[in-house]
Amino acid sequence: QVQLQESGPGLVRPSQTLSLTCTVSSGSISSGSYYWTWIRQPAGKGLEWIGHVYTSGSTNYNPSLKSRVTISIDTSRDQFFLSLNSVTAADTAVYYCARGGITLLDGGLDPWGQGTPVTVSS
Amino acid sequence: EIVLTQSPGTLSLSPGERATLSCRASQTFSSRYLAWYQQKSGQAPRLLIYGGSTRATGIPDRFSGSGSGSDFTLTISRLEPEDFAVYYCQQYGTSPWTFGQGTKVEIK
Repeated sequence: QVQLQESGPGLVRPSQTLSLTCTVSSGSISSGSYYWTWIRQPAGKGLEWIGHVYTSGSTNYNPSLKSRVTISIDTSRDQFFLSLNSVTAADTAVYYCARGGITLLDGGLDPWGQGTPVTVSS
Repeated sequence: EIVLTQSPGTLSLSPGERATLSCRASQTFSSRYLAWYQQKSGQAPRLLIYGGSTRATGIPDRFSGSGSGSDFTLTISRLEPEDFAVYYCQQYGTSPWTFGQGTKVEIK
């Protein structure tokens, strides 16, 4: 059963860059055709799709964040990454990584990491 | 961007009752790209339904998804105590992938 785990700083200064890693275990990030995805959730609010990186390395981002976000993948280490620059307090949220599928046999986001809280504050 | 609007915002029901949650889209899309998630306080969301109506692994059959076009429904046939949570719909057929704002199912 594939598992995902987020890691990274819990506190980021305003205007700096938020960098998170998602490590995939009990399975290979290269196995199958999946969209390795980042989602965030501000406290008490709903879920926001940030973007994803396909197994091939191609990416897709939420237009609302596109100018500030980069998602990349390292298949040799079974990891993918989120970089969000020029952060403000509005970027404070719990950040989740998840595996996304779009086929009739394997659709939706599953599994998810446990989430990592990130606070943007000076 | 496909906007998903969930209703009601809060559903107050008793254990054993039937819950019907709605997800309406701003444009039509194939139900094969519609998923439902359950989120309990302090936990990551859990996939319940994908492809509009297919239950994810380990999901009890009291959960069912239906709908087409722009109107989709999650039904919980008989609420168990562990079902009181927030539920989100999501579409993953068109970029950007989007979520509804959630429906909270609370104990009456």
